Amino acid sequence: DGGITQSPKYLFRKEGQNVTLSCEQNLNHDAMYWYRQDPGQGLRLIYYSQIVNDFQKGDIAEGYSVSREKKESFPLTVTSAQKNPTAFYLCASSKRVINNEQFFGPGTRLTVL
Amino acid sequence: AQKITQTQPGMFVQEKEAVTLDCTYDTSDQSYGLFWYKQPSSGEMIFLIYQGSYDEQNATEGRYSLNFQKARKSANLVISASQLGDSAMYFCAMRGSYNTDKLIFGTGTRLQVFP
Repeated sequence: DGGITQSPKYLFRKEGQNVTLSCEQNLNHDAMYWYRQDPGQGLRLIYYSQIVNDFQKGDIAEGYSVSREKKESFPLTVTSAQKNPTAFYLCASSKRVINNEQFFGPGTRLTVL
Repeated sequence: AQKITQTQPGMFVQEKEAVTLDCTYDTSDQSYGLFWYKQPSSGEMIFLIYQGSYDEQNATEGRYSLNFQKARKSANLVISASQLGDSAMYFCAMRGSYNTDKLIFGTGTRLQVFP
């Protein structure tokens, strides 16, 4: 079955450590996205990528980095520069047309200890 | 700038009744798309329904329908015959014509269905 996988589901990290969240899709979608969700809030866009080897900053990119070396994969690194990294992180993918919905993965809950 | 506003933090509805979740939007684009997503307690986002700005008819998908009033810039979600499994967060989102790869989300409405 086609879909998006994110791992791990839960992640704990000490302050000052970088951590990488995995996102893989087998939907053959060109575009991939990373969102952050804080309790009681909507989703905010961190980074997105329209094609392999290209990505753009979203609304809250500071303290995060991404890569897009393969169409299927879009990992997100939360660096020590991110001041408040504890949140729920959602990865999504879509075809690049206006009426196509974004498909979401199950999310990773990151907690900084 | 594009913006989505959901003014209802929480809603209650009795099982089998209909409920309307409000969504207003702001955009200067002539062509845009509006989406509704459901987020159960498990966390994943589930796509429910889509409305294009040039669609003449209101979108429907099973028990979900979208009450699209373009002049008022509103795109309310109507859930008919509510079920206990409909209890979740619901998010309205918009994609504009000039930035077709970005979705702007509202802050969501928590719906609770009671027996």
